Amino acid sequence: EIVLTQSPATLSLSPGERATLSCRASQSVSAYLTWYQQKPGQAPRLLIYDATNRATGIPARFSGSGSGTDFTLTITSLEPEDFAVYYCQQRYNWPLTFGGGTKVEIK
Amino acid sequence: QVQLVESGGGVVQPGRSVRLSCAASGFTLSSYGMHWVRQAPGKGLEWLAFIQFDGDDQKYADSVKGRFSVSRDNSKNTLFLEMNSLRTEDTGFYYCARDRVLYCSGSRCDGNDYWGQGTLVTVSS
Repeated sequence: EIVLTQSPATLSLSPGERATLSCRASQSVSAYLTWYQQKPGQAPRLLIYDATNRATGIPARFSGSGSGTDFTLTITSLEPEDFAVYYCQQRYNWPLTFGGGTKVEIK
Repeated sequence: QVQLVESGGGVVQPGRSVRLSCAASGFTLSSYGMHWVRQAPGKGLEWLAFIQFDGDDQKYADSVKGRFSVSRDNSKNTLFLEMNSLRTEDTGFYYCARDRVLYCSGSRCDGNDYWGQGTLVTVSS
């Protein structure tokens, strides 16, 4: 099973600041890495698939990068609605696995 | 519009069984692979199971393999999760989710673009 480690666990930032979230895989997942956003009381929302592709309707301030074992989700300028928990997921092989999540909170 | 609605959650005793349903509307269920994902209260996401668009392949997390079974009735636009030998650690919100890509086989199907609102299963005596 591929283990995904997300860091930091919590990111305290102000609106307008840049957020950089990391996801590291225990073995290569090539580019089969997906990012989700989850707000309290809501289902997850697909942000990025195949490491770099924004899903439909996702604003351009969200971008993904990386391949192999190291991946990054960047939010260039935080909007109030971006404060949430972010999860990475590998889809390289079964079983699919999620990282533990990074909470982006208002500083 | 695409909608997924889970049902069947509630309080169940350890060792008992429960069957969750996920009713799909606004799209052709038979064209998409489907997943179940759960989330213990206050915890992260855990992928549980996948069923291929035609029902010919299923995959499971080790934590539920042999206890849970995923199935689908495409004629009724419904996905199921049969959960047996329930444990207290199975408590959580259970979500169904759709693969983004039609007719995709295997794990490398981009991501899950539509999710239900979740149904809560509480395993407690």
